[in-house]
Amino acid sequence: DAMVIQNPRYQVTQFGKPVTLSCSQTLNHNVMYWYQQKSSQAPKLLFHYYDKDFNNEADTPDNFQSRRPNTSFCFLDIRSPGLGDAAMYLCATSSGTGGESQPQHFGDGTRLSIL
Amino acid sequence: GQNIDQPTEMTATEGAIVQINCTYQTSGFNGLFWYQQHAGEAPTFLSYNVLDGLEEKGRFSSFLSRSKGYSYLLLKELQMKDSASYLCAVKDSNYQLIWGAGTKLIIKP
Repeated sequence: DAMVIQNPRYQVTQFGKPVTLSCSQTLNHNVMYWYQQKSSQAPKLLFHYYDKDFNNEADTPDNFQSRRPNTSFCFLDIRSPGLGDAAMYLCATSSGTGGESQPQHFGDGTRLSIL
Repeated sequence: GQNIDQPTEMTATEGAIVQINCTYQTSGFNGLFWYQQHAGEAPTFLSYNVLDGLEEKGRFSSFLSRSKGYSYLLLKELQMKDSASYLCAVKDSNYQLIWGAGTKLIIKP
């Protein structure tokens, strides 16, 4: 089945130790998103790509970076994780320019814990 | 600023009907989405409204009034598996998706 796959499902890292989360998709969607979601809160958009066009949200911390080497893959790098970065990280995709009614399709998420 | 308001939590009985409300204040409007999110899982798409009125999809229906900045999600014949959070999200004038914090729905037998 076509889908959005995130690895790993659970990630534990140490305070200050760089970590990379990955996302792949078989939907051939041109738009990809990274969200951070904390318990009982709305998903917070960190980055999104229209094709290779990278869009960084204004309030995304500099500690977070992203790469999209091709249509299918996208990575979230956290350079020096702090305790406040512990959260669920969601990858999502959608087709088109984002202006249509196309919904976003989410992966299962990666739950990041910081020791 | 942009704002989406939903009740934090609701409780309903198995087999009953429940209505989850969402009010929004956004810079422009290009459609409203409802998502279901089970605990520890990713959101899954339920419905989309861009015109006023009711969209029905099986046990779930979604209503929109653009003039009032208001939507609701109606769930009929509630089942235990409907226990989840329900998130309302609006596309603004820049086609960015603005998310509500979600309504946690608890179903009791």
